[in-house]
Amino acid sequence: NAGVTQTPKFQVLKTGQSMTLQCAQDMNHEYMSWYRQDPGMGLRLIHYSVGAGITDQGEVPNGYNVSRSTTEDFPLRLLSAAPSQTSVYFCASSYRPGGNTEAFFGQGTRLTVV
Amino acid sequence: TQLLEQSPQFLSIQEGENLTVYCNSSSVFSSLQWYRQEPGEGPVLLVTVVTGGEVKKLKRLTFQFGDARKDSSLHITAAQPGDTGLYLCAGDGEYGNKLVFGAGTILRVKS
Repeated sequence: NAGVTQTPKFQVLKTGQSMTLQCAQDMNHEYMSWYRQDPGMGLRLIHYSVGAGITDQGEVPNGYNVSRSTTEDFPLRLLSAAPSQTSVYFCASSYRPGGNTEAFFGQGTRLTVV
Repeated sequence: TQLLEQSPQFLSIQEGENLTVYCNSSSVFSSLQWYRQEPGEGPVLLVTVVTGGEVKKLKRLTFQFGDARKDSSLHITAAQPGDTGLYLCAGDGEYGNKLVFGAGTILRVKS
C-alpha cells in the first residue's frame, strides 16, 4: 500500500548543481502536484499536472521543471540550485470524488543548497 | 488570488484543554479541507467540508464550514499529546485541482 513515494528523503546540493526529485504514485490518480514548504508559509504550489503529457505552472515555478510521461511518475528538476531553493518538497497525487479535491502526500524531500 | 489565513500560528496547551483553530478567507471555496502533519511526514487529510454551515465530527475533532463558504474552524475537545502536530487548512477553489493552503497552526499539547 505505497501511495505516494518520494526519493530521496534528504539531499544536500552545492549552488549551481542540478538534480531531479522523484515522485511515483500507485493510486492511478490523474492529478499530481509539487509543493514546497517553508517555515510560516504553508505549502506553495510549484508545478502541477492534470494527466500524462500535461503540466502547468503553480505559484512559484521559477527554477524548476517538470514532465509527466506516465500517470505514475512526476519528477521535479532543479536546473541550477540556489540557496533560496532550500526547503522541504512534497509531491501529492489527488483525485476529485464528487468534484472536491482530496490530496495524498509523499513523505517529503528535505533539500539543502549550500 | 485566493488566500487562506490561519490563526493562531502557534498554540501550546495542557492535556485536557479545548482549543479552536480558524481558517479565514475573503474568497468563496467550493470545499475546504483540514490536514494534519507530523514532523518528517507529509500532510494527511483529516476531513473535507463541502456545504455551507456543514459540521463534521471525527472523534474529539469538530470541523465547521462557514455559511458563506469563506471560513472554517477546527475544534479539539480534551486535547491529548497525540494531537500535537501542524494543522493545515486548504481550499479547493476556482482552479479545481489547485489547492490553496493556509500557513498552518502548530499545536503542542503538553502532558
